[in-house]
Amino acid sequence: SQELEQSPQSLIVQEGKNLTINCTSSKTLYGLYWYKQKYGEGLIFLMMLQKGGEEKSHEKITAKLDEKKQQSSLHITASQPSHAGIYLCGADGYGGSQGNLIFGKGTKLSVKP
Amino acid sequence: DGGITQSPKYLFRKEGQNVTLSCEQNLNHDAMYWYRQDPGQGLRLIYYSQIVNDFQKGDIAEGYSVSREKKESFPLTVTSAQKNPTAFYLCASGYGGRAKNIQYFGAGTRLSVL
Repeated sequence: SQELEQSPQSLIVQEGKNLTINCTSSKTLYGLYWYKQKYGEGLIFLMMLQKGGEEKSHEKITAKLDEKKQQSSLHITASQPSHAGIYLCGADGYGGSQGNLIFGKGTKLSVKP
Repeated sequence: DGGITQSPKYLFRKEGQNVTLSCEQNLNHDAMYWYRQDPGQGLRLIYYSQIVNDFQKGDIAEGYSVSREKKESFPLTVTSAQKNPTAFYLCASGYGGRAKNIQYFGAGTRLSVL
């Protein structure tokens, strides 16, 4: 079955610093989704990547999908306290569960003022 | 406002009791999903529905049941057969289909056992 591995599990950065979160798949990715979650709340959709080499940006967050479509990275530039939360990557699921997403376990980001 | 509404936000279950979590969407999405989130485990799929009056089991369906009588609604019942129901439950909806499967989530329901 497909698995998504996220690294690091948690991250503490000083405000203003850059950071990168990685998401690695055991199978080729046909759709890769990044979400953000505040503790005890629902997931907020950030970006979707589909093509090898694709890169998308929204405000200070950039997501990339590698050419082989097995790894994605999420990069935050000049982090702010508002970036704190849990970042999850999701991918289109296989194995008969058509239409669902498989999720990584998440990366918990803390930003120190 | 368009979106997904889950209720209640907090729910307590007594031993042997069935409880129902509500999920309503007004986004006109065909597909709806229920996920369970446990600390350090990510999200796991319980049930999903691609169309009204049809639904499929996900990876951890045992002890749960659902119905999809209306496009807008996808309630989840946690039955007494679910021995470890304490978790954060998330409902999502989307247009379904692979490779463009953006799902939008509700705010979640936290279920605890008394």
